[in-house]
Amino acid sequence: DTAVSQTPKYLVTQMGNDKSIKCEQNLGHDTMYWYKQDSKKFLKIMFSYNNKELIINETVPNRFSPKSPDKAHLNLHINSLELGDSAVYFCASSLDRESEPQHFGDGTRLSIL
Amino acid sequence: QQQVKQSPQSLIVQKGGISIINCAYENTAFDYFPWYQQFPGKGPALLIAIRPDVSEKKEGRFTISFNKSAKQFSLHIMDSQPGDSATYFCAADYGGSQGNLIFGKGTKLSVKP
Repeated sequence: DTAVSQTPKYLVTQMGNDKSIKCEQNLGHDTMYWYKQDSKKFLKIMFSYNNKELIINETVPNRFSPKSPDKAHLNLHINSLELGDSAVYFCASSLDRESEPQHFGDGTRLSIL
Repeated sequence: QQQVKQSPQSLIVQKGGISIINCAYENTAFDYFPWYQQFPGKGPALLIAIRPDVSEKKEGRFTISFNKSAKQFSLHIMDSQPGDSATYFCAADYGGSQGNLIFGKGTKLSVKP
């Protein structure tokens, strides 16, 4: 059973479109995260979220917004996609914000044409 | 500002050799230092981690050495195998209620048979 699953695995779309990436974890964790991995493989936190608090990395454009319908899901919505948004996006989860380790999904490769 | 500096960027080691990857950090508030291993097309997975109250931790062929005064830590892979070929990331976490991993830029390890 996949602990953290993301869909889709690949997403190719045009500049200016709005898209969503879904993430689900079946570990019973309270905290979920979104990371961006750029073409040089640099991993950077975008958001961390639990049922109490959303912490946003201040460098993330407000075109990106996480939405959590329940504790097991944290989806990423991106509006007005730009060329620079092309990257691999990883969802992760941990037991709570103070706990390690973080468990990562296998990523969604987003390509903007 | 790069809070966790990792070197080398790439590393080629012969099978059976020792792979050494180094990281340095700036913020003394960090209190958790994990290493993640990432294979192509997969998400990062926790390999081994250490807290600053110990100077070394060993799990199988993998060892973390930690030097608190120098603000440095390193990963040693003994008897390196072709299956160890992957990208390795060091990271640091503030702990507390932050739960945000700060990653190094990664080291691509290739183990030649």
